[in-house]
Amino acid sequence: QSALTQPASVSGSPGQSITISCTGTSSDVGSYNLVSWYQQHPGKAPKLIIYEGTERPSGVSNRFSGSKSGNTASLTISGLQAEDEADYYCCSYAGSSTLVFGTGTTVTVL
Amino acid sequence: QVQLQESGPGLVKPSETLSLTCAVSGYSISSGYYWGWIRQPPGKGLEWIGSIYHSGSTYYNPSLKSRVTISVDTSKNQFSLKVSSVTAADTAVYYCARLVYAIYYFDYWGQGTPVTVSS
Repeated sequence: QSALTQPASVSGSPGQSITISCTGTSSDVGSYNLVSWYQQHPGKAPKLIIYEGTERPSGVSNRFSGSKSGNTASLTISGLQAEDEADYYCCSYAGSSTLVFGTGTTVTVL
Repeated sequence: QVQLQESGPGLVKPSETLSLTCAVSGYSISSGYYWGWIRQPPGKGLEWIGSIYHSGSTYYNPSLKSRVTISVDTSKNQFSLKVSSVTAADTAVYYCARLVYAIYYFDYWGQGTPVTVSS
């Protein structure tokens, strides 16, 4: 069970859109539409922003959206804002009630 | 409002057993959901350690399974983590969280507790 692969860093200017990829295998991301995404600010606990691949919890901005194609899930942040500067992690169901997280991506707002 | 709070020693000696507890308030563990532990080494990413149901059914990360035990105490509305034979690689912030079964996402998290393994 290896960590899902995410780019180490992604940056964008305020107002722009960015996309973070999360690449797994046919045993996790590719087999289940059960990817969640978490936002983590420094020194804070992770916060759920997307679940079941595309669903947003109540209270999460609609600027966050999720998608999936094959073994790769993606998180798109549109209308980038300074407050979006944080680390982002994907997490996928990997069968047999196990989970695997991604390597994490640091988003920088230029 | 569901709240989770981790507690336990912040310093553990190598080869000893790390023990943490997660107290849950605002929701009865016996009512359902799964409950999990996640850790984050300094400057690194998140790692799922394992999960438990109120009935006691447990699921562990295969890479940690031989050293990890998760248990639940419904009378105290809390669940616990034990990691045996710790090394410096087990130094991390440990989080407990509520896991939504069948959709597999963590909706509520504790604030995290740092644990250092050092002599």
